[in-house]
Amino acid sequence: QQQVKQSPQSLIVQKGGISIINCAYENTAFDYFPWYQQFPGKGPALLIAIRPDVSEKKEGRFTISFNKSAKQFSLHIMDSQPGDSATYFCAASRETSGSRLTFGEGTQLTVNP
Amino acid sequence: GAVVSQHPSRVICKSGTSVKIECRSLDFQATTMFWYRQFPKQSLMLMATSNEGSKATYEQGVEKDKFLINHASLTLSTLTVTSAHPEDSSFYICSAREQGGKLFFGSGTQLSVL
Repeated sequence: QQQVKQSPQSLIVQKGGISIINCAYENTAFDYFPWYQQFPGKGPALLIAIRPDVSEKKEGRFTISFNKSAKQFSLHIMDSQPGDSATYFCAASRETSGSRLTFGEGTQLTVNP
Repeated sequence: GAVVSQHPSRVICKSGTSVKIECRSLDFQATTMFWYRQFPKQSLMLMATSNEGSKATYEQGVEKDKFLINHASLTLSTLTVTSAHPEDSSFYICSAREQGGKLFFGSGTQLSVL
């Protein structure tokens, strides 16, 4: 019940395209869903996060869509840029503070120029 | 956003030696810090939860005598890999929770044990 499933494992997108990464969770007690961006040799950086009381959250080119009934959430990167090439992790936790995160397996995004 | 400083960023040591990694919250107090391990192209694996002034809570399968965690102050947690062996080579990452609840990650430490 603690798993978070993430797909795809890798994704290649052309510059200007839309990158979509999906996650599914099992534990209905999860109430905080962040996305992290990680560059090689660096720690993850919080990108955007959502709570289950809203279905969508947008920050700049990044949007989270949340489907509570399906227990799924996704990250959309609009107008993808080569600088967005990184590994993206979704995560979930059952505490509103966001501690003790359960991470997805990660998606390696490559944006070609 | 809040800053979490992790040092060293890279360390190479001989088998059998001990290595200490520091994690500092620079502009906030962190009652809880977390230590993760990450293998290449894999996700983060939680090793232990470090609470200021108390013993760390280790995840199943993580040897507490192997990975010593000390959280002596509200801004510093340390992870010591004792008697390191090549199989301990990995990327270690800490995170700290600010009092508002958000988690911030350090930049990671690449440990290579020869």
